[in-house]
Amino acid sequence: GAVVSQHPSWVICKSGTSVKIECRSLDFQATTMFWYRQFPKQSLMLMATSNEGSKATYEQGVEKDKFLINHASLTLSTLTVTSAHPEDSSFYICSALTGNEQYFGPGTRLTVT
Amino acid sequence: GQNIDQPTEMTATEGAIVQINCTYQTSGFNGLFWYQQHAGEAPTFLSYNVLDGLEEKGRFSSFLSRSKGYSYLLLKELQMKDSASYLCAVRPVAGTALIFGKGTTLSVSS
Repeated sequence: GAVVSQHPSWVICKSGTSVKIECRSLDFQATTMFWYRQFPKQSLMLMATSNEGSKATYEQGVEKDKFLINHASLTLSTLTVTSAHPEDSSFYICSALTGNEQYFGPGTRLTVT
Repeated sequence: GQNIDQPTEMTATEGAIVQINCTYQTSGFNGLFWYQQHAGEAPTFLSYNVLDGLEEKGRFSSFLSRSKGYSYLLLKELQMKDSASYLCAVRPVAGTALIFGKGTTLSVSS
């Protein structure tokens, strides 16, 4: 149990376009999901906390208008990177909270050319 | 602020024992976690400590001292497949996101 999926697993897009990443909790409901970003050889940096039915809470330095988060249901949160630039190329990992446990998705590798 | 420190790199040989230390200074404390991460993959859960003491789980053990803001992950009988990054993470408040250290890259050689 407690499986979190992400789609797509990798994506290449052109600079200026938008990319949507989906995060699903497959066998449990998650009122809270988290989005992290990881640059090469660095640790996971929390971007935002996504709560079902309400606006996401963004960490300091993360542009909410650039990284749009929607948590429309108890099993789905989406992260849209708008007007992507090469510096947005990174590994994006979502995580879903159930009880006191935090389960991670497999990650999405975004490359912006 | 939140600060979690761990060594950047460590090396060890097969069959040996290695201890990866982690110190933390966070606004609150609701548990300390250790994760393993292979390159290009998501982190996988290894251990969780919320009370002081040692938690043992097969070849892996984790220790916590809340008064010292200190934890370590002990890996025994090292195998080549243990070569990975090991992440120390703290949950400052129940129900909030884990805050991660920068990770320790462990290289196991034969």
